Amino acid sequence: AQSVTQPDIHITVSEGASLELRCNYSYGATPYLFWYVQSPGQGLQLLLKYFSGDTLVQGIKGFEAEFKRSQSSFNLRKPSVHWSDAAEYFCAVGSGGGADGLTFGKGTHLIIQP
Amino acid sequence: DAGVTQSPTHLIKTRGQQVTLRCSPKSGHDTVSWYQQALGQGPQFIFQYYEEEERQRGNFPDRFSGHQFPNYSSELNVNALLLGDSALYLCASSRQTPVLDPEQYFGPGTRLTVT
Repeated sequence: AQSVTQPDIHITVSEGASLELRCNYSYGATPYLFWYVQSPGQGLQLLLKYFSGDTLVQGIKGFEAEFKRSQSSFNLRKPSVHWSDAAEYFCAVGSGGGADGLTFGKGTHLIIQP
Repeated sequence: DAGVTQSPTHLIKTRGQQVTLRCSPKSGHDTVSWYQQALGQGPQFIFQYYEEEERQRGNFPDRFSGHQFPNYSSELNVNALLLGDSALYLCASSRQTPVLDPEQYFGPGTRLTVT
């Protein structure tokens, strides 16, 4: 069975500082990996996805993520955070090209300090 | 394009009652997935509908059932509600041929409170 672990429940970062959110997955085959962001009271918005090819993927809002098969990781990064980045971030793994049901991690709550 | 829409936005029910939640997929999408998100948790996959049939199912009891209509919209039904069913219910739509658009688009959710 596939699973996702996000080790950090909360992360606090100063505005303008860099950010890295960790994600580890367990999946038997080549995974389809996703990062979603959720603002309070909102649905999920896709930040970026990895299916194949270049292991460094670029997403929206200046985010990027790197797939490392040897470490079963798909960490999310941003070089300089903005106050509007404060939200809940979810890593997810899927199969079937993303058409199948996704397995999500428990999320990381990002707090931005002024 | 209206994106994925869900109704109602909020709902309060009593234990033992039944509830129906509704979802309209993004234009051009033929597949609808439902997720349950308890407070402070990540979404959990309930089931997925394609061509009016349940294609995939997560680890949820039979109290959770669904339906997909010819226009691809979908309903989630929960019978014999428990307090633990209180959650945000998210609908996501996608294409069954993901090479065209490999993403699940999520709606804003329905907040269900069971008292």
